[in-house]
Amino acid sequence: AQKITQTQPGMFVQEKEAVTLDCTYDTSDPSYGLFWYKQPSSGEMIFLIYQGSYDQQNATEGRYSLNFQKARKSANLVISASQLGDSAMYFCAMREIYNQGGKLIFGQGTELSVKP
Amino acid sequence: NAGVTQTPKFQVLKTGQSMTLQCAQDMNHEYMSWYRQDPGMGLRLIHYSVGAGITDQGEVPNGYNVSRSTTEDFPLRLLSAAPSQTSVYFCASSGQGSYEQYFGPGTRLTVT
Repeated sequence: AQKITQTQPGMFVQEKEAVTLDCTYDTSDPSYGLFWYKQPSSGEMIFLIYQGSYDQQNATEGRYSLNFQKARKSANLVISASQLGDSAMYFCAMREIYNQGGKLIFGQGTELSVKP
Repeated sequence: NAGVTQTPKFQVLKTGQSMTLQCAQDMNHEYMSWYRQDPGMGLRLIHYSVGAGITDQGEVPNGYNVSRSTTEDFPLRLLSAAPSQTSVYFCASSGQGSYEQYFGPGTRLTVT
């Protein structure tokens, strides 16, 4: 069975510094995708970044990058130059690429607080 | 293009009442899903659909029914609400060959 583990319930970071949010996963499927979502206090789910299991390069989207270590089954999110608006819950998620439609398995989330 | 819409935004039910949470998307997506989010937890999959007329259970399906008669709509029915179903409900959709899931704004349901 697939499983996502986020071991940091809460994190603090100083504004303008970088922060890494941890995510480990477990799956027996060779083809899968890994996602990070941001959920601000307003409640909506905002897609941040995606990494496919066969992608050779680590994914990047602006200030977000995904540190993908396949052998360790980890997919950590790195936010560079933190901003006050980055304060939110962050969820790591996974789904099998094929035959699973839109089914996502989520971790429990990490609450990030950015300090001025 | 409205994306994924959900109604209502908020709902309070008494134990034993029934209701339907509505979800619609205008992106012609094949895949649609319902998730619930409880305090301090990530989203958990309730039911999903890979196309009109095809649905299947997710991780936490008990107490919920779904149907998919059209590509656009994927309603979630609570037949007899229980306090344990107090949660925030998200609907999501994604298209064939696309990895991104588009989430609706959520419905906050309280069962007393």
